[in-house]
Amino acid sequence: DSGVTQTPKHLITATGQRVTLRCSPRSGDLSVYWYQQSLDQGLQFLIQYYNGEERAKGNILERFSAQQFPDLHSELNLSSLELGDSALYFCASSSSGTTPSEQYFGPGTRLTVT
Amino acid sequence: TQLLEQSPQFLSIQEGENLTVYCNSSSVFSSLQWYRQEPGEGPVLLVTVVTGGEVKKLKRLTFQFGDARKDSSLHITAAQPGDTGLYLCAGSMTTDSWGKFQFGAGTQVVVTP
Repeated sequence: DSGVTQTPKHLITATGQRVTLRCSPRSGDLSVYWYQQSLDQGLQFLIQYYNGEERAKGNILERFSAQQFPDLHSELNLSSLELGDSALYFCASSSSGTTPSEQYFGPGTRLTVT
Repeated sequence: TQLLEQSPQFLSIQEGENLTVYCNSSSVFSSLQWYRQEPGEGPVLLVTVVTGGEVKKLKRLTFQFGDARKDSSLHITAAQPGDTGLYLCAGSMTTDSWGKFQFGAGTQVVVTP
């Protein structure tokens, strides 16, 4: 158990819909990262937040957005969903906001878009 | 585009054998990490290397960062079924931002008893 929690574990929704994924980092960690893992693209870094502020962006689509709240939990919002958005979405946390640092990954949310 | 190329894509060996997986890039990385991921779980960090030529050992696992910081290898001695998993390398080209942090596609390792 990494100490990072993600909800829900599974999500099935239709194209065009919007979903919100939630992540609670390890106690004391200020930095949260979101990743997408699909069979064809592998594990892709989406976005990082550090202590409530956006710190870095990776391959995140404009239809996706995220935020980190004062209690440090984070949410990833995916809108206008397409079939290709079906993937595993991981959240990770670390105490440091710089690289390299030890990231602890949550168990992931499996999103299926039908 | 994958900046980090991992090889082989898949490796199946018998318990007790040795194996090596590779992570290569044409770019210089400021640091490189190796993770292991098991089905249904998130990746777990194994090691971080930051200095060219660095060698780190973790029990039966030996990690090496290339002198030019463009490649890395992971060697497992006397593999055990518990070593089965997807091995991912990941690196950053900068030290102050995660914006260019990338994972390789991974090497799936299967160790059979």
